[in-house]
Amino acid sequence: AQSVTQLGSHVSVSEGALVLLRCNYSSSVPPYLFWYVQYPNQGLQLLLKYTTGATLVKGINGFEAEFKKSETSFHLTKPSAHMSDAAEYFCAVRGDTGRRALTFGSGTRLQVQP
Amino acid sequence: GAGVSQSPSNKVTEKGKDVELRCDPISGHTALYWYRQRLGQGLEFLIYFQGNSAPDKSGLPSDRFSAERTGESVSTLTIQRTQQEDSAVYLCASSLGVGDTDSPLHFGNGTRLTVT
Repeated sequence: AQSVTQLGSHVSVSEGALVLLRCNYSSSVPPYLFWYVQYPNQGLQLLLKYTTGATLVKGINGFEAEFKKSETSFHLTKPSAHMSDAAEYFCAVRGDTGRRALTFGSGTRLQVQP
Repeated sequence: GAGVSQSPSNKVTEKGKDVELRCDPISGHTALYWYRQRLGQGLEFLIYFQGNSAPDKSGLPSDRFSAERTGESVSTLTIQRTQQEDSAVYLCASSLGVGDTDSPLHFGNGTRLTVT
């Protein structure tokens, strides 16, 4: 069965510092991978996705993620954090055939300190 | 509307009562999903509809939970004999369907259910 593990339920960084949110997945077939963001009092929105092709994926607001098959990882990064990046971030996978729904990780809450 | 619409936005109910939650997906989206998000936790898959195919109900936690969808439009999630552990935000999402396995989900703002 497909699954997602997000390491660290809370991450705190200083404004301007590197953001690194970790995501590992399991899937019996080549996966489609997604990062969603949930800003306070808002619905989830897509940040970026990996399907096939280039393993480094760029998303909105300066975020990017790299698919590493050998490590079964899809970590999210941003070179320089901004206060507006404070939110909850969810990694998701759609992999196993027959299971069309996305499987989400438990989320990582990002805090950005001034 | 342009996005996924859910109603009500908040629902407070007494233990043992039945509740109905509604979701209006984006027009043209054939796939519809229900997820549950308990406080401080991730998204828990409940049920998935795709066109006229049989729904994937594998995530429904008990037979108190059911969902229906009329064609490719509105969906209703019903929880019978609510329990306190049902308190959560119930999220609906829609996406383009068959042949679009990489199509992203578009989420509504959710219904916050509180069972007292």
